Amino acid sequence: GAVVSQHPSRVICKSGTSVKIECRSLDFQATTMFWYRQFPKQSLMLMATSNEGSKATYEQGVEKDKFLINHASLTLSTLTVTSAHPEDSSFYICSASQGQGVTEAFFGQGTRLTVV
Amino acid sequence: TQLLEQSPQFLSIQEGENLTVYCNSSSVFSSLQWYRQEPGEGPVLLVTVVTGGEVKKLKRLTFQFGDARKDSSLHITAAQPGDTGLYLCAGRSGGFKTIFGAGTRLFVKA
Repeated sequence: GAVVSQHPSRVICKSGTSVKIECRSLDFQATTMFWYRQFPKQSLMLMATSNEGSKATYEQGVEKDKFLINHASLTLSTLTVTSAHPEDSSFYICSASQGQGVTEAFFGQGTRLTVV
Repeated sequence: TQLLEQSPQFLSIQEGENLTVYCNSSSVFSSLQWYRQEPGEGPVLLVTVVTGGEVKKLKRLTFQFGDARKDSSLHITAAQPGDTGLYLCAGRSGGFKTIFGAGTRLFVKA
């Protein structure tokens, strides 16, 4: 399958600071990327969908000003958690797909964010 | 709101036993994926089913998509400790959004 690389895999930050997470498709062009959040022992919750060159579409209840998503190229999307608080601590996962006609999306390895 | 109900949520079995995980919805999906996730890692795609009634086999794993494309099942034959993990079904509708089931946490004891 296709390779999606997510960086960093772990990050610890102080409350009030911002953290940027990168998601790269290494061997294909990702027209669409998805960002998920996963709490311990729970499934994935979709936060937003980003299409290259356009604004991200956020799910209901997800603050767009807090979780900034940029998809500036066909191989890179970033998620920035602004003014992080301890309740933002979670496992964040991205996935990438080649396009609307393609059924499969491939996942990055996830980023464990801990806000202290 | 589309929902994917996955069951059971937790399963603990002995090595060599068979098991089936179910994924059900009232909505029709254009495709459905099954993933396996290890702790601290992202989900890894196991299979995609697209056609109603489709059956796919991956070694000891058999995946089936319901005729109406509203449900799917994953059957594991002769489970092994290496099968331990979180299994997730995910469905894509006519749009581009993918929704996930709650997951089935499988533990296979040696």
